[in-house]
Amino acid sequence: ETGVTQSPTHLIKTRGQQVTLRCSSQSGHNTVSWYQQALGQGPQFIFQYYREEENGRGNFPPRFSGLQFPNYSSELNVNALELDDSALYLCASSPQSRPYGYTFGSGTRLTVV
Amino acid sequence: QQQVKQSPQSLIVQKGGISIINCAYENTAFDYFPWYQQFPGKGPALLIAIRPDVSEKKEGRFTISFNKSAKQFSLHIMDSQPGDSATYFCAASREDDKIIFGKGTRLHILP
Repeated sequence: ETGVTQSPTHLIKTRGQQVTLRCSSQSGHNTVSWYQQALGQGPQFIFQYYREEENGRGNFPPRFSGLQFPNYSSELNVNALELDDSALYLCASSPQSRPYGYTFGSGTRLTVV
Repeated sequence: QQQVKQSPQSLIVQKGGISIINCAYENTAFDYFPWYQQFPGKGPALLIAIRPDVSEKKEGRFTISFNKSAKQFSLHIMDSQPGDSATYFCAASREDDKIIFGKGTRLHILP
């Protein structure tokens, strides 16, 4: 049984650019959630996908968008990058739409310069 | 508005001692209270979780104490070991909703 894998592990982008982060969910998990973790802070909920539909969103602007594919893998897209977008982006999968049994990936460290 | 407040921000404990981290929440609709452990360069990993219908849950050296009337819960790590050095997050959620994390406690166990 594989866990949650995220790619890339590290990324450096310039302000104003666009970025796509990828997540492969754990086998058997149909729900993927994305979190942003700023340095020294707890993870903040961005949004959740359940069976390819967004079914929950946190307090993030529309330039944060996502997709979930039929195999339940997911992408997080961020447009018009800002310096404050620099953070660790975490993907978590779970076997149902409820947050129980979350398994987190190791994250993608995004640096915006 | 911070819905889950965690303290202390950092904690240093001697090997073999008891580490205690406290959290308070505001939303009485929360029905799931997990604790996560995060090592540098890794994502958070679920350590132990509790529902509000019980006052205590123990798994090995880790115990959650839950006080529903005070809207508080805490993590106790007995016989703390250097390998327990990590950042710990308390969290809370409602059924079918996102998990809300505290700001974290950086725990260091002295050898």
